[in-house]
Amino acid sequence: QQPVQSPQAVILREGEDAVINCSSSKALYSVHWYRQKHGEAPVFLMILLKGGEQKGHEKISASFNEKKQQSSLYLTASQLSYSGTYFCGTDMSGAGSYQLTFGKGTKLSVIP
Amino acid sequence: ETGVTQTPRHLVMGMTNKKSLKCEQHLGHNAMYWYKQSAKKPLELMFVYSLEERVENNSVPSRFSPECPNSSHLFLHLHTLQPEDSALYLCASSQAGGLYNEQFFGPGTRLTVL
Repeated sequence: QQPVQSPQAVILREGEDAVINCSSSKALYSVHWYRQKHGEAPVFLMILLKGGEQKGHEKISASFNEKKQQSSLYLTASQLSYSGTYFCGTDMSGAGSYQLTFGKGTKLSVIP
Repeated sequence: ETGVTQTPRHLVMGMTNKKSLKCEQHLGHNAMYWYKQSAKKPLELMFVYSLEERVENNSVPSRFSPECPNSSHLFLHLHTLQPEDSALYLCASSQAGGLYNEQFFGPGTRLTVL
């Protein structure tokens, strides 16, 4: 089953903060976050693993609550360049990057 | 060329045509992926190759046929497609040998089936 992302869309003014959530009905081994700008390829942001290890973007932070089977992406002091659709990809099988199930995405629009 | 490239960028084909999508990665990776991205739907993993062997096939219809001749190239052969196959087809690559390696995506091929 695909993870559920919330909100579906959000509009921010520059400098405001946002939180994007990703919830799964199944236990997760890892959560992967990507951003896709309109007409462009998805770009890697972060991977969060069971046990707390993370790898990814310096300016974006995220959390992974294994018990609640959810992850949150924190965007602080948003910039115009943060606009795009954010996807979480969940690993429910232990196959890591080889078998990700993606959510429908959260469309983030940052306005001046 | 750098990163992951895909050709063609746009393709329009009839239901009886045969065409192929090409993906090339210039990152020295050894795992490659095909994804389908439809409007209002999540990214769907179609095929995964690691070290040129197919690792995953997510019950994709046989009208889609992948080919990975070497670690830098990936093809998706298409035949007798349906209009519902119209979508953006994305290729990605990653470094195998670690389960948690980020994927690098190409710009995609926008496919329209008439």
